[in-house]
Amino acid sequence: GNSVTQMEGPVTLSEEAFLTINCTYTATGYPSLFWYVQYPGEGLQLLLKATKADDKGSNKGFEATYRKETTSFHLEKGSVQVSDSAVYFCALRRSYNTDKLIFGTGTRLQVFP
Amino acid sequence: EAGVTQSPTHLIKTRGQQATLRCSPISGHTSVYWYQQALGLGLQFLLWYDEGEERNRGNFPPRFSGRQFPNYSSELNVNALELEDSALYLCASSPGLAGRQFFGPGTRLTVL
Repeated sequence: GNSVTQMEGPVTLSEEAFLTINCTYTATGYPSLFWYVQYPGEGLQLLLKATKADDKGSNKGFEATYRKETTSFHLEKGSVQVSDSAVYFCALRRSYNTDKLIFGTGTRLQVFP
Repeated sequence: EAGVTQSPTHLIKTRGQQATLRCSPISGHTSVYWYQQALGLGLQFLLWYDEGEERNRGNFPPRFSGRQFPNYSSELNVNALELEDSALYLCASSPGLAGRQFFGPGTRLTVL
């Protein structure tokens, strides 16, 4: 079946540190891949996406590259800020049946000054 | 433009009762999705409605049901509440198939 696995948190970093949150997926066909972010007390927001192999999604300094050979979509940021503290969800949507999103369990990021 | 709205923000029920959660999609969006975010379980897909019809359903028992109204707003009903139904319930809307999903702030359901 289709599934998403992401690293467990919390991930605790100091401001300006480098961030990697690992995400791997299992899917038939060629899914679209997403990173969503949930700030404290707020709803989910789309952070970035990639729809085909080797695509790089980027937004607000975050990047993730769709790697079909390793079935991965790791989230990276070169220099995190306290305001990046949130829960990050990796997700996929099957390209041939464009309905539900399949999410990972989420990774909490805590950034300290 | 107003985003997806959900009501109530918080809901407290006792075991065995029924809960009704409401969602208003972004204007012009015809699809509504419901997800459950239970502690430690991430987000699980519950239901998808489009143009008034249920299009897909996640792996949840029949006591989870819902509907979509002619104005595309939606209700999620949970009957015979159990303690493990305590979760944040998120609604998302999209402009039909293949559209990006926009999420509401959620309704936090607590079952005592």
